[in-house]
This record gives sequence, structure tokens and C-alpha cells, in this order.
Amino acid sequence: EAQVTQNPRYLITVTGKKLTVTCSQNMNHEYMSWYRQDPGLGLRQIYYSMNVEVTDKGDVPEGYKVSRKEKRNFPLILESPSPNQTSLYFCASSVSQGGGYEQYFGPGTRLTVT
Amino acid sequence: RKEVEQDPGPFNVPEGATVAFNCTYSNSASQSFFWYRQDCRKEPKLLMSVYSSGNEDGRFTAQLNRASQYISLLIRDSKLSDSATYLCVVNGDNFNKFYFGSGTKLNVKP
Repeated sequence: EAQVTQNPRYLITVTGKKLTVTCSQNMNHEYMSWYRQDPGLGLRQIYYSMNVEVTDKGDVPEGYKVSRKEKRNFPLILESPSPNQTSLYFCASSVSQGGGYEQYFGPGTRLTVT
Repeated sequence: RKEVEQDPGPFNVPEGATVAFNCTYSNSASQSFFWYRQDCRKEPKLLMSVYSSGNEDGRFTAQLNRASQYISLLIRDSKLSDSATYLCVVNGDNFNKFYFGSGTKLNVKP
């Protein structure tokens, strides 16, 4: 089954404790992206990756890091989480860069930073 | 100014009604336009892409007006199962960046 998976689905952590949210897709997609969703603000793009070892900033990259060492995986790293990073996070993948393709989303990770 | 703006609603309509949503975007260089559907904080799923000539998929019709920089979604013969939040998505002049509207909530009532 074609899918994007994220782990963990729910996470409660404390300020400053480094964490990683994993994202994996089994569709051999080149393009992957991370978004956060906050009430009233919609989804905002954090980082995206056009292919292995190629990443770039989205609209709200501050406080986040990513890496793309393999095509299927695109982890999101919060080196020192803060309460303003409490949000619902979605990973997405798409067959290609260039903007014209459907993005497939993972089920979301609900993160709370206290 | 936000890149993409939508009326948050909610739109409360009876079953069988026709309902229309609009979405305006600020970047005239945008090339790709989509409507996604999101159920109750689940993941967004593509409803339809929006093409310059307009496109239709069953009860759903999407249109693009480049001159006025808006896209629209028309739902005919609304079903209870259409109740969801509809997200307008536009790419930026960097085609790898995407901007989402905050969504329009639709409630279809029996």
C-alpha cells in the first residue's frame, strides 16, 4: 500500500529536549516536505527536499533542521524545542519537484512542548 | 498580506444544495493550484487540481481566474459526506514552495 508514515503520532516533551520526528514514504517520490498546522493559520511549510541531499527552507524554518540521506526518509529535527513549536506536523511527498503534482500526506504528529 | 486567503466559514448548507468557495492568492507568478480536503485534523487529501481552462470531476468544479487571482470550487448536490474543511493551495514563484489557505469549513446538514 502506497503511504507516508510518521512517527511518533503523539509526543509530549519539555522545553530544550532534542527530538526527531521521522517520515518515510514507499512511493519512490523525489519531493518531500514538512508542514506545521496551527489554528487559524493553515498549513505552513517548514522545509522541503527535491531529492537526496537537496533541501531548502520553507516559510517557517526557524528552530527546525532536516536531512535527506535516503530517498524514502525525511526526518524533522527539533534541536531545542520551545512551547511555540507546539503544533500538528505533517510530512508530505510528491512524485516530482516542479509544483504541479499531488502531495501525499502522512497522518500527522501532534507535538506538545511544555 | 497572506499569500492565500480563504473565507473560514463555516458554510452550513442543507443536503442537495450547491455551494461555492473562493480563494484569492497574492503571487501572480503562481503556476499550480489545488483544492485539498481535510477531515477533522486528519491529513489533507487532494480533491482536485485546478487548470487554467477549468475542470470538473463529478459534482465538483474548479475554476481559475488569473486576472483577478482567485480560484473557486463549486460543489453541486451536496452530500453529508462532503462535510469537511476545504484547503486552497498555491505554489509560489519558487515552484517547490507551497502556500495553504487556512481552510473553509463546510457543514452539510440533513
